[in-house]
Amino acid sequence: DVKVTQSSRYLVKRTGEKVFLECVQDMDHENMFWYRQDPGLGLRLIYFSYDVKMKEKGDIPEGYSVSREKKERFSLILESASTNQTSMYLCASRHGGTAEAFFGQGTRLTVV
Amino acid sequence: DQQVKQNSPSLSVQEGRISILNCDYTNSMFDYFLWYKKYPAEGPTFLISISSIKDKNEDGRFTVFLNKSAKHLSLHIVPSQPGDSAVYFCAAIDSGNTPLVFGKGTRLSVIA
Repeated sequence: DVKVTQSSRYLVKRTGEKVFLECVQDMDHENMFWYRQDPGLGLRLIYFSYDVKMKEKGDIPEGYSVSREKKERFSLILESASTNQTSMYLCASRHGGTAEAFFGQGTRLTVV
Repeated sequence: DQQVKQNSPSLSVQEGRISILNCDYTNSMFDYFLWYKKYPAEGPTFLISISSIKDKNEDGRFTVFLNKSAKHLSLHIVPSQPGDSAVYFCAAIDSGNTPLVFGKGTRLSVIA
């Protein structure tokens, strides 16, 4: 079974803090993605990566950055957390050239 | 501009009856469509998919229908069960390495 693991299920951070969300997959997938889910807005793409060291902006990259130094790990960084970044963050991965993406369990981030 | 639209935020169905979830899309380049199911505080899980060269795909209680001329797809669940209560996301992709584009989701409640 494909496993995508996000480092935390729940996280509470203060405004202005630098926040790291980690995601690891164990299936040697080339593609990895970060989405956020908000009520009434669905899943919105923040950043994605086709392969190691590669990154592309999604629909809502402002206030975020990413790092992909190893194939299995894709990190999302909130440079200076703000209350409007309170959300459910979802990491996903898939093989390049395929459609189905596998999701992690999500990280519920609250910025206070 | 929303490329994948789920116009019904919620749907309520009695146990044993059919649930029909709808999805419309605007990008004629989409060639693969997927449905994901999401429970609260969990990541989305893949449910069923359909290629643009087909008009129907069935897997147990779940059937997806695609009408390319109308740019419309639907997910039928028969018979509906209380465990089907979740948020359902429609997603589409136009080529192997581009990210999935998601709709805003429909919350299905199956009432016993």
